[in-house]
Amino acid sequence: DVKVTQSSRYLVKRTGEKVFLECVQDMDHENMFWYRQDPGLGLRLIYFSYDVKMKEKGDIPEGYSVSREKKERFSLILESASTNQTSMYLCASSFLGGANTEAFFGQGTRLTVV
Amino acid sequence: KQEVTQIPAALSVPEGENLVLNCSFTDSAIYNLQWFRQDPGKGLTSLLLIQSSQREQTSGRLNASLDKSSGRSTLYIAASQPGDSATYLCAPDFSGTYKYIFGTGTRLKVLA
Repeated sequence: DVKVTQSSRYLVKRTGEKVFLECVQDMDHENMFWYRQDPGLGLRLIYFSYDVKMKEKGDIPEGYSVSREKKERFSLILESASTNQTSMYLCASSFLGGANTEAFFGQGTRLTVV
Repeated sequence: KQEVTQIPAALSVPEGENLVLNCSFTDSAIYNLQWFRQDPGKGLTSLLLIQSSQREQTSGRLNASLDKSSGRSTLYIAASQPGDSATYLCAPDFSGTYKYIFGTGTRLKVLA
């Protein structure tokens, strides 16, 4: 089974802290994604990566950065956490091309910034 | 801007009913479309992926169809069960870059 694992299910951080959300996949997928999910707004893409050390901005990158030093790991960084970043964060991965580009998601990290 | 709309937003049905969830999108030039299920407080589970060259995909009691010309996809659930209760999300890939755009989902409740 494909497995996408996020390091934490729940996190509580203080305003201004630097926050790291980690995601690891075990299927040798090229693509990795970070989304956030908010009531009434659905899932919105923050950043994605097609390859190691490669990153591209999604729809809402402000206040976030990412790191991909190894193919299986994609980290989301909140440089200075703010209360409006309280949300559910979801990581996903998929193959870059071919017949099967199905995306697989992790279990989510619910982040609360106080 | 590409948009994805799912109707209805919520649905409550008795166990055993066949039901259809609808997804419409503004750009017919999609590369593929994926249907997901999400249980409360959890991540997304992939249900079906339809490639742009396909018209439908089936998995067990689930059947998803794709009509690119009209900008619509439907998810058909046969003989619904209480365990099917969840939020169902459709997500087209418009650009071929595997960046899926999500609808806000249909929240389904199947009553025993």
